[in-house]
Amino acid sequence: DQQVKQNSPSLSVQEGRISILNCDYTNSMFDYFLWYKKYPAEGPTFLISISSIKDKNEDGRFTVFLNKSAKHLSLHIVPSQPGDSAVYFCAASEKGNFNKFYFGSGTKLNVKP
Amino acid sequence: DTGVSQNPRHKITKRGQNVTFRCDPISEHNRLYWYRQTLGQGPEFLTYFQNEAQLEKSRLLSDRFSAERPKGSFSTLEIQRTEQGDSAMYLCASSRGLQETQYFGPGTRLLVL
Repeated sequence: DQQVKQNSPSLSVQEGRISILNCDYTNSMFDYFLWYKKYPAEGPTFLISISSIKDKNEDGRFTVFLNKSAKHLSLHIVPSQPGDSAVYFCAASEKGNFNKFYFGSGTKLNVKP
Repeated sequence: DTGVSQNPRHKITKRGQNVTFRCDPISEHNRLYWYRQTLGQGPEFLTYFQNEAQLEKSRLLSDRFSAERPKGSFSTLEIQRTEQGDSAMYLCASSRGLQETQYFGPGTRLLVL
């Protein structure tokens, strides 16, 4: 049973425009959320995180938004660059068990020059 | 900081054979995690260690799987009597402590023929 879902397997965006990647979750015990980026032949790399006490966290071109009532989070990349082309995974952990992450199936982002 | 390393990077084996993978975490990281990733899916948690103690195991970790971290540094994941369904990418991650970012290695890709 997939507790973290990324319903868009792929997304294509023009360089300079905004990329919006979405993630939904079903477990109300999740209270910490992360985004990882993965290039081919490499392991996932941590990008940005957000705690459930916040609804927004920003780091440079990357912003994560959390809507707890809708059990939805999104990652905004502005402006998108060709080097951002990768697979993006959303992950979540339950309150009191930060050691175990539940990952979505990923969204492959292609930023076209 | 040389990152998390995993060996081998690729392994092809015949059904029924045993295989062992090694993970070297970032030095001074006392937590180590194993995940499995199948095609089109995100990483799935298998188990984690705090120092040499294995503190949690997923139900995905059948009795054919065993993981060790004998001296609290590197870890090994052994799969006995491999099955075709074991074909996957096996990822290792480490973190400095609780509620710290998990850093992933490049993974070991296993193919069971």
